[in-house]
Amino acid sequence: EAGVAQSPRYKIIEKRQSVAFWCNPISGHATLYWYQQILGQGPKLLIQFQNNGVVDDSQLPKDRFSAERLKGIDSTLKIQPAKLEDSAVYLCASSPPHEEQFFGPGTRLTVL
Amino acid sequence: GENVEQHPSTLSVQEGDSAVIKCTYSDSASNYFPWYKQELGKGPQLIIDIRSNVGEKKDQRIAVTLNKTAKHFSLHITETQPEDSAVYFCAAWESWGKLQFGAGTQVVVTP
Repeated sequence: EAGVAQSPRYKIIEKRQSVAFWCNPISGHATLYWYQQILGQGPKLLIQFQNNGVVDDSQLPKDRFSAERLKGIDSTLKIQPAKLEDSAVYLCASSPPHEEQFFGPGTRLTVL
Repeated sequence: GENVEQHPSTLSVQEGDSAVIKCTYSDSASNYFPWYKQELGKGPQLIIDIRSNVGEKKDQRIAVTLNKTAKHFSLHITETQPEDSAVYFCAAWESWGKLQFGAGTQVVVTP
């Protein structure tokens, strides 16, 4: 079974630029999550989708972050404009409803 | 909301010895407690989990214990091997699908 796919794996941008990350979850998983993992910390949930609807986005900085999952399958997370403190690994995870979450390899973002 | 504290932040053990990582949580409604292992450049991978109706669970060299009264749970790794070197995260299930992670423990197993 193929795992959660993410791209790109690495991205370096300057502050105030925009960036987008892509995630393709495990086939059949209705729930998709985006996490932010700052160096030395545990992952922090940014947004959770159930199919193409948002379940929880309470910790998403909505003035600069946006996410969508239009067809209930793959998802994109966008940052515009980026700040220095956005430097982190962005993890995507998926799961069947109320079951174990499977994580992708993450995208390491560096904002200069 | 849920708050998970994890100790120690780093743990160095000799190969063959045991390693113990402890976590506490704040929300008594949490009822699912997974442990993840994260290797460099990879996403977290579930290694063991425990639900609130169970006090202990074991899988080969790995075991987890849960004390709901005291709101703490622990990961035990016996007979450690170099491939056990990684960052380990505990987590608590605050509501359906919303995991709250601890800050992580860097485990180094020295030959």
